Amino acid sequence: EAQVTQNPRYLITVTGKKLTVTCSQNMNHEYMSWYRQDPGLGLRQIYYSMNVEVTDKGDVPEGYKVSRKEKRNFPLILESPSPNQTSLYFCASSPERGGVLFFGEGSRLTVL
Amino acid sequence: AQSVTQPDIHITVSEGASLELRCNYSYGATPYLFWYVQSPGQGLQLLLKYFSGDTLVQGIKGFEAEFKRSQSSFNLRKPSVHWSDAAEYFCAVGGIQGAQKLVFGQGTRLTINP
Repeated sequence: EAQVTQNPRYLITVTGKKLTVTCSQNMNHEYMSWYRQDPGLGLRQIYYSMNVEVTDKGDVPEGYKVSRKEKRNFPLILESPSPNQTSLYFCASSPERGGVLFFGEGSRLTVL
Repeated sequence: AQSVTQPDIHITVSEGASLELRCNYSYGATPYLFWYVQSPGQGLQLLLKYFSGDTLVQGIKGFEAEFKRSQSSFNLRKPSVHWSDAAEYFCAVGGIQGAQKLVFGQGTRLTINP
Protein backbone atom coordinates (compact mmCIF):
# COMPACT_ATOMS: atom_id res chain seq x y z
CA GLU A 1 0.00 0.00 0.00
CA ALA A 2 1.28 3.44 -0.98
CA GLN A 3 1.81 5.48 2.13
CA VAL A 4 3.77 8.02 4.11
CA THR A 5 4.68 6.75 7.57
CA GLN A 6 5.59 8.96 10.49
CA ASN A 7 6.88 7.97 13.89
CA PRO A 8 6.19 8.56 16.67
CA ARG A 9 2.52 9.49 16.35
CA TYR A 10 2.47 10.99 19.83
CA LEU A 11 5.32 12.28 21.96
CA ILE A 12 5.62 14.25 25.16
CA THR A 13 9.09 15.55 25.90
CA VAL A 14 10.84 18.23 27.92
CA THR A 15 12.58 21.40 26.88
CA GLY A 16 16.06 20.80 25.49
CA LYS A 17 15.85 17.06 24.96
CA LYS A 18 16.77 16.30 21.37
CA LEU A 19 14.26 14.33 19.37
CA THR A 20 13.75 13.04 15.86
CA VAL A 21 10.50 12.43 14.05
CA THR A 22 10.98 9.94 11.26
CA CYS A 23 9.20 10.00 7.91
CA SER A 24 9.32 7.34 5.25
CA GLN A 25 7.49 7.03 1.92
CA ASN A 26 7.24 3.97 -0.30
CA MET A 27 6.13 5.70 -3.51
CA ASN A 28 9.58 6.64 -4.85
CA HIS A 29 8.63 10.33 -4.67
CA GLU A 30 11.34 12.90 -5.24
CA TYR A 31 9.77 15.68 -3.21
CA MET A 32 9.23 15.56 0.52
CA SER A 33 8.33 18.21 3.05
CA TRP A 34 7.44 18.86 6.65
CA TYR A 35 4.55 21.00 7.84
CA ARG A 36 3.34 22.01 11.24
CA GLN A 37 -0.33 22.59 11.96
CA ASP A 38 -1.45 25.04 14.61
CA PRO A 39 -5.01 26.19 15.36
CA GLY A 40 -6.03 29.19 13.28
CA LEU A 41 -2.83 29.10 11.25
CA GLY A 42 -3.43 26.16 8.94
CA LEU A 43 -0.36 24.28 7.81
CA ARG A 44 2.98 26.00 7.52
CA GLN A 45 5.96 24.51 5.76
CA ILE A 46 9.07 23.89 7.84
CA TYR A 47 11.50 22.36 5.34
CA TYR A 48 11.29 20.67 1.99
CA SER A 49 13.51 18.48 -0.12
CA MET A 50 13.55 18.17 -3.89
CA ASN A 51 15.80 15.13 -3.95
CA VAL A 52 18.49 13.26 -2.06
CA GLU A 53 20.92 15.68 -0.39
CA VAL A 54 18.83 18.68 -1.56
CA THR A 55 16.92 20.46 1.19
CA ASP A 56 15.73 24.00 1.72
CA LYS A 57 13.92 26.10 4.29
CA GLY A 58 10.21 26.65 4.23
CA ASP A 59 8.34 29.39 6.06
CA VAL A 60 9.10 28.40 9.67
CA PRO A 61 12.47 26.59 9.79
CA GLU A 62 13.79 28.03 13.05
CA GLY A 63 14.59 25.35 15.62
CA TYR A 64 14.41 22.46 13.14
CA LYS A 65 16.85 20.47 11.03
CA VAL A 66 16.30 17.89 8.33
CA SER A 67 18.35 15.51 6.26
CA ARG A 68 17.71 13.55 3.07
CA LYS A 69 20.32 10.82 2.80
CA GLU A 70 17.97 8.39 1.09
CA LYS A 71 15.09 9.05 -1.24
CA ARG A 72 12.49 7.39 0.96
CA ASN A 73 13.39 9.00 4.30
CA PHE A 74 13.15 12.59 5.50
CA PRO A 75 13.57 12.88 9.27
CA LEU A 76 12.76 16.05 11.20
CA ILE A 77 15.19 16.86 14.01
CA LEU A 78 14.55 19.13 16.95
CA GLU A 79 17.98 19.68 18.51
CA SER A 80 16.71 21.57 21.54
CA PRO A 81 12.92 21.56 21.63
CA SER A 82 11.05 24.45 23.21
CA PRO A 83 7.39 24.76 24.25
CA ASN A 84 6.58 26.86 21.15
CA GLN A 85 7.32 23.77 19.07
CA THR A 86 4.34 22.01 20.60
CA SER A 87 2.32 21.25 17.51
CA LEU A 88 0.94 18.67 15.11
CA TYR A 89 3.53 17.77 12.49
CA PHE A 90 2.88 16.33 9.05
CA CYS A 91 5.28 14.82 6.60
CA ALA A 92 4.26 14.81 2.95
CA SER A 93 5.65 13.62 -0.34
CA SER A 94 4.92 14.39 -3.96
CA PRO A 95 5.90 12.80 -7.25
CA GLU A 96 6.49 16.13 -8.93
CA ARG A 97 7.23 19.77 -8.38
CA GLY A 98 4.05 21.64 -7.52
CA GLY A 99 1.99 18.48 -7.55
CA VAL A 100 -0.34 16.64 -5.25
CA LEU A 101 0.92 16.04 -1.73
CA PHE A 102 0.49 12.71 0.01
CA PHE A 103 0.41 13.14 3.77
CA GLY A 104 1.36 11.01 6.72
CA GLU A 105 -1.07 10.67 9.60
CA GLY A 106 0.68 13.27 11.72
CA SER A 107 2.84 13.37 14.84
CA ARG A 108 1.52 15.24 17.84
CA LEU A 109 4.40 16.67 19.83
CA THR A 110 4.14 18.28 23.25
CA VAL A 111 7.17 20.04 24.73
CA LEU A 112 6.92 20.77 28.45
CA ALA B 1 3.99 36.27 -1.94
CA GLN B 2 1.39 33.58 -2.20
CA SER B 3 -1.44 33.61 0.31
CA VAL B 4 -4.71 31.81 0.82
CA THR B 5 -7.71 33.04 2.78
CA GLN B 6 -10.56 30.90 3.98
CA PRO B 7 -12.97 33.46 5.45
CA ASP B 8 -15.08 30.98 7.40
CA ILE B 9 -13.41 29.36 10.40
CA HIS B 10 -16.41 27.22 11.27
CA ILE B 11 -19.55 26.33 9.32
CA THR B 12 -22.53 24.30 10.48
CA VAL B 13 -25.02 22.83 8.02
CA SER B 14 -27.81 20.30 8.28
CA GLU B 15 -27.45 16.87 6.78
CA GLY B 16 -28.79 16.92 3.24
CA ALA B 17 -28.26 20.64 2.81
CA SER B 18 -25.97 22.15 0.21
CA LEU B 19 -22.50 23.37 1.11
CA GLU B 20 -20.13 26.01 -0.17
CA LEU B 21 -16.74 26.66 1.40
CA ARG B 22 -14.97 29.79 0.29
CA CYS B 23 -11.34 30.17 -0.71
CA ASN B 24 -9.57 33.25 -2.03
CA TYR B 25 -5.95 33.30 -3.06
CA SER B 26 -3.22 35.69 -4.00
CA TYR B 27 -0.71 34.43 -6.53
CA GLY B 28 1.33 36.14 -9.21
CA ALA B 29 0.96 33.53 -11.93
CA THR B 30 -1.43 30.79 -12.93
CA PRO B 31 -1.93 28.86 -9.73
CA TYR B 32 -2.26 25.22 -8.97
CA LEU B 33 -5.21 24.97 -6.58
CA PHE B 34 -6.15 22.21 -4.19
CA TRP B 35 -8.71 21.27 -1.61
CA TYR B 36 -7.72 18.83 1.13
CA VAL B 37 -9.88 17.31 3.85
CA GLN B 38 -8.72 16.31 7.31
CA SER B 39 -10.91 13.97 9.32
CA PRO B 40 -10.37 13.94 13.10
CA GLY B 41 -7.05 12.31 14.01
CA GLN B 42 -6.13 11.76 10.39
CA GLY B 43 -3.75 13.21 7.86
CA LEU B 44 -4.90 15.30 4.93
CA GLN B 45 -6.51 13.71 1.91
CA LEU B 46 -6.80 15.34 -1.49
CA LEU B 47 -10.39 16.13 -2.52
CA LEU B 48 -9.67 17.74 -5.87
CA LYS B 49 -7.19 19.87 -7.75
CA TYR B 50 -7.10 22.44 -10.54
CA PHE B 51 -4.06 22.75 -12.76
CA SER B 52 -5.54 24.02 -16.05
CA GLY B 53 -8.44 23.54 -18.44
CA ASP B 54 -12.06 23.28 -17.38
CA THR B 55 -12.61 25.63 -14.48
CA LEU B 56 -15.18 23.35 -12.85
CA VAL B 57 -13.42 20.36 -11.37
CA GLN B 58 -14.91 17.25 -9.86
CA GLY B 59 -13.41 15.51 -6.90
CA ILE B 60 -13.99 12.57 -4.65
CA LYS B 61 -16.95 12.13 -2.30
CA GLY B 62 -19.25 14.21 -4.53
CA PHE B 63 -17.34 17.49 -4.12
CA GLU B 64 -16.68 20.00 -6.86
CA ALA B 65 -14.90 23.34 -7.04
CA GLU B 66 -14.90 26.21 -9.50
CA PHE B 67 -11.86 28.30 -10.37
CA LYS B 68 -12.77 31.93 -11.01
CA ARG B 69 -9.71 33.85 -12.10
CA SER B 70 -11.48 37.23 -12.04
CA GLN B 71 -12.39 36.75 -8.38
CA SER B 72 -9.22 34.87 -7.37
CA SER B 73 -11.45 32.24 -5.87
CA PHE B 74 -11.67 28.48 -5.75
CA ASN B 75 -14.81 27.67 -3.78
CA LEU B 76 -15.69 24.13 -2.81
CA ARG B 77 -19.27 22.88 -3.18
CA LYS B 78 -21.37 19.86 -2.48
CA PRO B 79 -25.09 19.65 -3.29
CA SER B 80 -26.06 17.47 -0.33
CA VAL B 81 -23.83 16.86 2.67
CA HIS B 82 -23.63 13.65 4.68
CA TRP B 83 -22.76 13.31 8.36
CA SER B 84 -19.44 11.74 7.32
CA ASP B 85 -18.44 15.04 5.67
CA ALA B 86 -17.81 16.58 9.10
CA ALA B 87 -14.10 17.44 9.00
CA GLU B 88 -11.70 20.30 8.50
CA TYR B 89 -11.18 21.53 4.95
CA PHE B 90 -8.08 23.24 3.67
CA CYS B 91 -7.60 25.19 0.48
CA ALA B 92 -4.04 25.39 -0.86
CA VAL B 93 -2.24 27.14 -3.69
CA GLY B 94 1.00 26.20 -5.39
CA GLY B 95 2.78 26.63 -8.64
CA ILE B 96 5.24 25.07 -11.02
CA GLN B 97 7.78 27.83 -10.54
CA GLY B 98 10.34 27.39 -7.87
CA ALA B 99 10.42 24.68 -5.26
CA GLN B 100 7.67 22.28 -4.46
CA LYS B 101 5.65 24.22 -1.94
CA LEU B 102 2.02 24.64 -1.11
CA VAL B 103 0.59 27.51 0.88
CA PHE B 104 -2.44 26.53 2.91
CA GLY B 105 -5.37 28.51 4.16
CA GLN B 106 -6.31 28.53 7.81
CA GLY B 107 -8.90 25.84 7.36
CA THR B 108 -12.70 25.66 7.72
CA ARG B 109 -14.19 23.29 10.23
CA LEU B 110 -17.45 21.77 9.04
CA THR B 111 -20.05 20.52 11.50
CA ILE B 112 -23.09 18.58 10.31
CA ASN B 113 -26.38 18.74 12.21
CA PRO B 114 -28.50 15.60 12.01
